[in-house]
Amino acid sequence: GQNIDQPTEMTATEGAIVQINCTYQTSGFNGLFWYQQHAGEAPTFLSYNVLDGLEEKGRFSSFLSRSKGYSYLLLKELQMKDSASYLCAVRDYKLSFGAGTTVTVRA
Amino acid sequence: EAQVTQNPRYLITVTGKKLTVTCSQNMNHEYMSWYRQDPGLGLRQIYYSMNVEVTDKGDVPEGYKVSRKEKRNFPLILESPSPNQTSLYFCASSLYGTGGDSNQPQHFGDGTRLSIL
Repeated sequence: GQNIDQPTEMTATEGAIVQINCTYQTSGFNGLFWYQQHAGEAPTFLSYNVLDGLEEKGRFSSFLSRSKGYSYLLLKELQMKDSASYLCAVRDYKLSFGAGTTVTVRA
Repeated sequence: EAQVTQNPRYLITVTGKKLTVTCSQNMNHEYMSWYRQDPGLGLRQIYYSMNVEVTDKGDVPEGYKVSRKEKRNFPLILESPSPNQTSLYFCASSLYGTGGDSNQPQHFGDGTRLSIL
């Protein structure tokens, strides 16, 4: 089975940086995904890591350490529209999701 | 436009009345999956399909059925719905399931909110 943990909630100020951590224990590993989900909407793909290290995509970066079973999503220069849930998902033979981290951006 | 389409978007029904939620994708994806999303529990996989005529149970398959007779369609069937199946349901698809180009993300439909009284 899989166990994927991430914090339930985080709050940050507009313009700041927030780091969302994800730890996982899986029987195999074939990649880690981060998705963004606004309230009442479908999840949308943000990033993918399969090798150790940092992947940068504009204001969003994602890091992976396979030996530690650890990833984080870094959101820089926060904007109000970044208020959403962020889902960590790990793939072994199937894709399993964490419960999500709700990020609230305050002015 | 590449998309995953679910219908209906909203449904209120009663216990025991069979219902089907349709899912269709136009991206020629091999892999399709159904999830339910409940507060505090995140997305949990109900069933998935690696290709036509190939379906497998996910984490919470009890009370659900699926079929994959065509590549584009993956309906979710509740033969005898019960109140504990009240939830937000998402259908998703990706080019492949595992291995190969496994960096392919899943594309999600807009969701179906089911209320079973």
